[in-house]
Amino acid sequence: EVELVESGGGLIQPGGSLRLSCAASGFTVDTSYMSWVRQAPGRGLEWVSVIFASGKSYYADFLKGRFTISRDSSKNILYLEMNNVAVEDSAVYYCARVGPPEALDIWGQGTMVTVSS
Amino acid sequence: QSALTQPASVSGSPGQSITISCTGAGTDIGSYNLVSWYQQHPGKAPKLIIYEVTKRPSGVSPRFSGSKSDYTASLTISGLQPDDEANYHCCSYAGRNTLVFGGGTNLTVL
Repeated sequence: EVELVESGGGLIQPGGSLRLSCAASGFTVDTSYMSWVRQAPGRGLEWVSVIFASGKSYYADFLKGRFTISRDSSKNILYLEMNNVAVEDSAVYYCARVGPPEALDIWGQGTMVTVSS
Repeated sequence: QSALTQPASVSGSPGQSITISCTGAGTDIGSYNLVSWYQQHPGKAPKLIIYEVTKRPSGVSPRFSGSKSDYTASLTISGLQPDDEANYHCCSYAGRNTLVFGGGTNLTVL
């Protein structure tokens, strides 16, 4: 069965760092395009980042270099390293596979990140 | 990367058809036939229901259909059912290997 399971969310103070994980099963993350998408409480979805099978990565402009997407092929896990977080980064973070061209066909259940002092 | 524009809410009665619009710009919807739609029930992860403007993934009901004209994409749901009550999000490729979403539309089945 194809599945994604996120972990690593929690309460963090402004300016802090956090690493989210997304464990994949049923397919390999290093032969897929993988994305992170977030959703603030009561708001719409917001695209965060993508990593290609080649390893190249791209980010939403608003991140200003604060987040880094990566993967561990041996563990079949996708990561999102979040640095210098702000209150506005509070959201449920979903990992998703890019299946059809530029569409996200497999989603995890999400992990909640709360940035608060 | 400005968000796409969707109505905040739409409603319809069982059996009726509704259409949700998604307006972008020449840098996203207007330039690419790479619009996707997602259904999200409260507390759940989004589910892909339309990709490449008009295509349905395997297992998605043919009651869901998509279209596009100029800078606006649309999702039509025919024969509304109670389980269709959910939030619907549009998404478009926006160039430079980025995606942009709409603000989401809450569908109420009366």
